[in-house]
Amino acid sequence: QQPVQSPQAVILREGEDAVINCSSSKALYSVHWYRQKHGEAPVFLMILLKGGEQKGHEKISASFNEKKQQSSLYLTASQLSYSGTYFCGTALTGNQFYFGTGTSLTVIP
Amino acid sequence: DTGVSQDPRHKITKRGQNVTFRCDPISEHNRLYWYRQTLGQGPEFLTYFQNEAQLEKSRLLSDRFSAERPKGSFSTLEIQRTEQGDSAMYLCASRPDHNEQFFGPGTRLTVL
Repeated sequence: QQPVQSPQAVILREGEDAVINCSSSKALYSVHWYRQKHGEAPVFLMILLKGGEQKGHEKISASFNEKKQQSSLYLTASQLSYSGTYFCGTALTGNQFYFGTGTSLTVIP
Repeated sequence: DTGVSQDPRHKITKRGQNVTFRCDPISEHNRLYWYRQTLGQGPEFLTYFQNEAQLEKSRLLSDRFSAERPKGSFSTLEIQRTEQGDSAMYLCASRPDHNEQFFGPGTRLTVL
């Protein structure tokens, strides 16, 4: 039931763009995106709701395709501070919240 | 600092001992989650409270795990007869209705 993310890992140079994908085998009603730095707790980035509403980060955008049960996170003009592990997450059954498999992003100078 | 606190931040215990962790959510948040996270993995759902009611519990959670949220405020997670496989980071998160989760700093448990 855990959403699957791709790629598993990506290395970028500062200023480059990246896309992280999240796919679910079950219907998605909303998708959350979080970033976690090593040794720290996850931090909220973005929430996408059915119907197109989005709430979140100014410099990060995301899309949500309800029919394909997929979401993508777009990181543009990456900065060193973007490094970390990115997780999508969703409530698939009732109130159980599932995080995706994670994508490790490393931004180098 | 998200406003969610957890105590203790680190706990080292011997196999077979009981441990209890505390989470203080943001006061106006009625929803509270507990997760477990091991190295290289994403947070794994353990249980969910809405106010004082425990509405969801992962099937992966053994009977050695119990959680409470008396009066809908702070929450405790107890692990009885700890095993080495229980070693992990235990995360608490709270949220208001239909919004993002705010995570506490976590409690790192090491079972020797």
